[in-house]
Amino acid sequence: EPEVTQTPSHQVTQMGQEVILRCVPISNHLYFYWYRQILGQKVEFLVSFYNNEISEKSEIFDDQFSVERPDGSNFTLKIRSTKLEDSAMYFCASSGTGANTGELFFGEGSRLTVL
Amino acid sequence: AQSVAQPEDQVNVAEGNPLTVKCTYSVSGNPYLFWYVQYPNRGLQFLLKYITGDNLVKGSYGFEAEFNKSQTSFHLKKPSALVSDSALYFCAVRDMFNAGNMLTFGGGTRLMVKP
Repeated sequence: EPEVTQTPSHQVTQMGQEVILRCVPISNHLYFYWYRQILGQKVEFLVSFYNNEISEKSEIFDDQFSVERPDGSNFTLKIRSTKLEDSAMYFCASSGTGANTGELFFGEGSRLTVL
Repeated sequence: AQSVAQPEDQVNVAEGNPLTVKCTYSVSGNPYLFWYVQYPNRGLQFLLKYITGDNLVKGSYGFEAEFNKSQTSFHLKKPSALVSDSALYFCAVRDMFNAGNMLTFGGGTRLMVKP
């Protein structure tokens, strides 16, 4: 069964450093998303991406964050100048179009720890 | 704007008993509704969805949910709980006209099934 894969599974970084989280969405999906979850709590929307551009973003997704689809398979989230409060589990998701629209398929997550 | 409320942080049930996990939603248009489950240190797994049609939808692992438009609810149910059902459950909603296609999640309900 196709799945969303994320790397790294865990990253530890120093405050102020830049991190890049990588995702390989399901190959025939067209919508891509990043969500985050702090300490097993609420799952918060960050950004959605379609047709090589951001289609929607939340208030959390400020200038510190950026997304990119550098090639036909990867979808990345870059966090510049990390802060302690950026520590969270970051989930990538993808979805298709038509009748399957809305059902998101999630990766296993990348745990980011900012020290 | 779209939002979801899960009024219970935790639901405790004995194995073999029926379970209900509550969810209410708010959208400006017609809702697409979803339930996801999260096991410890894992990503979110899709359980079931309501898009249109029959108000009672059946999903994975014997779960079902009932869409009630007048009460704006989409409660998750299972006739007979298993210990292995113990996990974190998230309700999610999308307004069918949401351009970004993103889901808004509730705060989650921890289900504890005791032997």
